[in-house]
This record gives sequence, C-alpha cells and structure tokens, in this order.
Amino acid sequence: AQSVTQLDSHVSVSEGTPVLLRCNYSSSYSPSLFWYVQHPNKGLQLLLKYTSAATLVKGINGFEAEFKKSETSFHLTKPSAHMSDAAEYFCVVSDFSGGYNKLIFGAGTRLAVHP
Amino acid sequence: NAGVTQTPKFQVLKTGQSMTLQCAQDMNHEYMSWYRQDPGMGLRLIHYSVGAGITDQGEVPNGYNVSRSTTEDFPLRLLSAAPSQTSVYFCAVNRGQDTEAFFGQGTRLTVV
Repeated sequence: AQSVTQLDSHVSVSEGTPVLLRCNYSSSYSPSLFWYVQHPNKGLQLLLKYTSAATLVKGINGFEAEFKKSETSFHLTKPSAHMSDAAEYFCVVSDFSGGYNKLIFGAGTRLAVHP
Repeated sequence: NAGVTQTPKFQVLKTGQSMTLQCAQDMNHEYMSWYRQDPGMGLRLIHYSVGAGITDQGEVPNGYNVSRSTTEDFPLRLLSAAPSQTSVYFCAVNRGQDTEAFFGQGTRLTVV
C-alpha cells in the first residue's frame, strides 16, 4: 500500500530565505506524486505534480519539487519565501489499487513565514 | 463556472441527528470523492464515485452514506451523527486516473 510521510509538522522561515518541506513516500510501483497547499479556512490548491516525466517539477508561485526514486523522496522547495506562502502543505501520492485514483495524504506541514 | 461547490460551509449538529452535506460540480468530471480532514492526519478518503450510479468505500466509511444519481451531484449523508464525526469535510472532483483533484471550500461540521 502507498503511504506518505511528511518529516516536519511545522517549519518556520524568515521572509526571503529558502523553503524546504520534506516528504518521503512508500509505493510498490512508480507513483504519481502531488503537493497541495491549503491557506487558512480555504480549500486545497494544487501546487505541482509528478507523473513520471521530468524528475524536477516546477509548480506555481515559484515552488518546485524533485522526485528521487533512490531516496523515495519528493521534497518541496522555494528559493525565497514570501509572507503569502504561510499555509499548510500536503504531500500526496496516488494509489491506483481498486481501480480508482485514491489520494493518500501526508499529515501536513505548517509553514510560518516571519518578517 | 463555480467548479466544486459545497454546502453548507458550517454546521452544528446534536449527537444522533442526521444531515446531508451537498457537493455539486460543473466541471463534467466523472470522479468525485469525499474526504475528512482532522488535525495532524491530513485528509482521509470516506467514499468515492467513478460515475453516476457507481460508488465505493474509502478508508473511513463508517457512519456515512453516499449515492450518485447524476454526474453533477455527490451528497454525503451522516446517518446518526457522533462527536467523532466533528471534522472538516472536503469534496473533490477529478477527470480520471492520475489527474489533478479539484477541491471544494469545505464544510466545517461540529457534533455536540
């Protein structure tokens, strides 16, 4: 069965410094992986997705993630944090078992950005 | 073009009451699903549907019922609410396998 582990429940950075949100996954086959962002009291928005094309995936708002099969990781990065990046971030893996694209969510990482 | 619309946004129920959470989409996508979000647990799949007339259970289906009579609507019914069902509920829609899921704004449910 597929699973996702987000290694940090909270990350705090200063505005203008790099962001790193860590995600490890477990999958019995080549997975599809996603990062979603949830701003306070809002729904979820897709940041980026990996579906076995390029291993470095670029998303919206300057975020990118690198798929590393040998490390079973899909870490999310951004070179320079902005105050508006403060939100909760979810790493997600697709589980195709049973004929449906079930999304398996990590527990989430809350990103705080300080002036 | 509203995308995915959930109603109500907030609801307080007493233990034992029943209610239906509504989800409607205008994206003409086949796949619809319900998730619940609890602190520190991410989102967990309750029920899903791959098309009108077809539904199946997800990870945490107990206490919930669904039906899918049209492509557009996928209501979630709580049969007899319990405090353990206090959560934020999200409806999601996607086009098919391995595609982006679009989420509604959520329904915050409190059972007292």
